[in-house]
Amino acid sequence: NAGVTQTPKFQVLKTGQSMTLQCAQDMNHEYMSWYRQDPGMGLRLIHYSVGAGITDQGEVPNGYNVSRSTTEDFPLRLLSAAPSQTSVYFCASSYTGARNSPLHFGNGTRLTVT
Amino acid sequence: AQKITQTQPGMFVQEKEAVTLDCTYDTSDQSYGLFWYKQPSSGEMIFLIYQGSYDEQNATEGRYSLNFQKARKSANLVISASQLGDSAMYFCAMREGSGTASKLTFGTGTRLQVTL
Repeated sequence: NAGVTQTPKFQVLKTGQSMTLQCAQDMNHEYMSWYRQDPGMGLRLIHYSVGAGITDQGEVPNGYNVSRSTTEDFPLRLLSAAPSQTSVYFCASSYTGARNSPLHFGNGTRLTVT
Repeated sequence: AQKITQTQPGMFVQEKEAVTLDCTYDTSDQSYGLFWYKQPSSGEMIFLIYQGSYDEQNATEGRYSLNFQKARKSANLVISASQLGDSAMYFCAMREGSGTASKLTFGTGTRLQVTL
């Protein structure tokens, strides 16, 4: 039972570098999303997708890109890393995007930008 | 305005006692879902319980129950018979929006510490 798999678990970047956080799910979930978690601010939605080929912005999308070429994968790209992007990133998926569908989370990626 | 408000940054409870974690929400939608998640110190997010806005009964899952008061827009989590393993951050969340694109919004969390 893999569920939602995120890689890497830890990453250190220098300001201006780019990287991709990987997320894959094996539950045939339609809906996938990325959140960032910062102290005292809960989890904030970055981008989400309701199916392959469809993505949309969440609350804090600036500086991040996503794509959804398959149902299983939903990578998050940091275009030019900034210290403000130091955070813990969670990928989450649900069977559908309906209001009664709980999100299942990956174990998170701790990113530090120096 | 905050969509989800958790006013208790930290709570203490003695082992085997019950504890209530507060959550209020703000929405103009008639149909929405309310969720609670647990985040232990290891960092993963664990889904605990769900309550639909049209559900007349309060949701229960083992030692967890959700005290849903729709008119007050509150969705408090009650943990009965607390255990040391319940020590964690707890997040209240709401899923609102139409069709297949509803988004989950989180509160800032409550840190629960269970003591002997």
